[in-house]
Amino acid sequence: AQSVSQHNHHVILSEAASLELGCNYSYGGTVNLFWYVQYPGQHLQLLLKYFSGDPLVKGIKGFEAEFIKSKFSFNLRKPSVQWSDTAEYFCAVNAPGSQGNLIFGKGTKLSVKP
Amino acid sequence: KAGVTQTPRYLIKTRGQQVTLSCSPISGHRSVSWYQQTPGQGLQFLFEYFSETQRNKGNFPGRFSGRQFSNSRSEMNVSTLELGDSALYLCASSFRSVNTGELFFGEGSRLTVL
Repeated sequence: AQSVSQHNHHVILSEAASLELGCNYSYGGTVNLFWYVQYPGQHLQLLLKYFSGDPLVKGIKGFEAEFIKSKFSFNLRKPSVQWSDTAEYFCAVNAPGSQGNLIFGKGTKLSVKP
Repeated sequence: KAGVTQTPRYLIKTRGQQVTLSCSPISGHRSVSWYQQTPGQGLQFLFEYFSETQRNKGNFPGRFSGRQFSNSRSEMNVSTLELGDSALYLCASSFRSVNTGELFFGEGSRLTVL
């Protein structure tokens, strides 16, 4: 069965620090990969996605993620975080064409200190 | 364009009761999927409906059921409530399928079971 692991439960950074949130998945075939974000009091929203092509994908608000197939990883990065990036971040994966569902990691809470 | 609407937003039930939650997807979206979100387990997939048919089902007991109407609105029902059913129940809609991963989430229905 597919699974998604997010290594950090809670990350605390100061503004302007660089961010990298880890995400690893277990599935041997082709996958679609996603990062979702949930700002305090708001609904989950799509941050970025990878289906195929360039393994470095750019999303909204300056976020990017790199797909490394050999490592089964899809880490989220941002060069300089802002206080407004405080949120919970979820990595998700599914296998296209399998009628499988979207599997989410347990989330990483990011707190950015002003 | 109106987002995904879930009702009720909050509800309190007692053990043994049943509950029905409602979800109105974004206009034109035919896929509605449901997730249970808890602090310990994160987001867990319940089921997906597409054009009134259940297409996928997660690993939940039969007490959890759902349906979709011809206008794509969906309901989920939990019978014989248990304390462990306390959670945020999220509905997400998609134009094609949960497989695409491009889900639009509602704000959720927070269920507390006493």
